[in-house]
Amino acid sequence: QKEVEQDPGPLSVPEGAIVSLNCTYSNSAFQYFMWYRQYSRKGPELLMYTYSSGNKEDGRFTAQVDKSSKYISLFIRDSQPSDSATYLCAMSTTGGGNKLTFGTGTQLKVEL
Amino acid sequence: NAGVTQTPKFQVLKTGQSMTLQCAQDMNHNSMYWYRQDPGMGLRLIYYSASEGTTDKGEVPNGYNVSRLNKREFSLRLESAAPSQTSVYFCASSRKNTEAFFGQGTRLTVV
Repeated sequence: QKEVEQDPGPLSVPEGAIVSLNCTYSNSAFQYFMWYRQYSRKGPELLMYTYSSGNKEDGRFTAQVDKSSKYISLFIRDSQPSDSATYLCAMSTTGGGNKLTFGTGTQLKVEL
Repeated sequence: NAGVTQTPKFQVLKTGQSMTLQCAQDMNHNSMYWYRQDPGMGLRLIYYSASEGTTDKGEVPNGYNVSRLNKREFSLRLESAAPSQTSVYFCASSRKNTEAFFGQGTRLTVV
């Protein structure tokens, strides 16, 4: 079993929809949680960064962390075609050289 | 505003050839990483360097070596390339306990 599980999709939604992306994990030592967006043939770019449990909002994006359930989510409101990309969750512990463990990524397509 | 710069962007190697992938960051980060990305596998850590002068193995280190040349530069070497090393390679850097920033990747094909 992988440390971080993520549904690979693909997920297809109409423009303006609310998108929910999720990851589950097994290592209770994870404290730092990130969401990256990756366009085709590009490097991952950071979208959201949270520490421990709770919610964080940035424009149309909201990240949620539920450490008791070992479950993190990314919500995208008013989705746009430009949101079409692969979304990767990542997490790390406080020690261990800040290594990130990634999910496999969810491919999202927002259609007109 | 360069961030993390990787060279080359593309490379084709024959089985058994060697090459070095270069990475440099200008954000004064202590930690640097090499990942490989394969379809359906996500990003997997090859090697990392928590600080200048130190390197450690990640999840998939076999067939690779690394050098942390200085605080800015972290190179990845393939001594004898194999078709299983065909992948997209990403370098990343971070401060301690913060998010990592990625380069644009090197697409390597081994034939």
